[in-house]
Amino acid sequence: AQSVTQLGSHVSVSEGALVLLRCNYSSSVPPYLFWYVQYPNQGLQLLLKYTSAATLVKGINGFEAEFKKSETSFHLTKPSAHMSDAAEYFCALYSGNTPLVFGKGTRLSVIA
Amino acid sequence: DAGVIQSPRHEVTEMGQEVTLRCKPISGHDYLFWYRQTMMQGLELLVYFNNKAVMDDSGMPKDRFSAKMPNASFSTLKIQPSEPRDSAVYFCASNFGGGLEAFFGQGTRLTVV
Repeated sequence: AQSVTQLGSHVSVSEGALVLLRCNYSSSVPPYLFWYVQYPNQGLQLLLKYTSAATLVKGINGFEAEFKKSETSFHLTKPSAHMSDAAEYFCALYSGNTPLVFGKGTRLSVIA
Repeated sequence: DAGVIQSPRHEVTEMGQEVTLRCKPISGHDYLFWYRQTMMQGLELLVYFNNKAVMDDSGMPKDRFSAKMPNASFSTLKIQPSEPRDSAVYFCASNFGGGLEAFFGQGTRLTVV
């Protein structure tokens, strides 16, 4: 079965600090992986996606993620947090015939 | 394109009442998904359609929930009778081809009192 695990339901960082949101996946076939962001009272927006090309993927707003097959991970990073990054982040997996499978989300708080 | 459009944005109803949530997918998209978001469960897939046909509704409580897609530009999710445990944010999403990224609406926040 395909699954996504996000470690940490809530992450808090200081403004200007490194952001690291963790995502591990399980898939029986090579997956496509995604990070979505949800701002308060909004729908989900695509941040970035991995579709089997470059393993380091750059997205919007300075975020990037690295696909590591050996670790079955797809962690999201940003070198310097900004107050506007405060949101909920979802890792998602697509592995062929099924719709996207989402992790439970990580709420990012940015402290001034 | 205006994106995926959901209505209403907010709905408050009394237990036992019928609730209908509506979704207009992006024009040209052939897949439509209904998700439910709660604090406890996160994002759950309730049902999805391909070319208006239900592909999988195993995530949907069938005794009270029903989903329809009468045409390519409109879908409804109906709950009858509603219960307090149905309180959640319901998202509709669409895409072309079923895979890769999905485009989400802004959601309907349902409160059943």
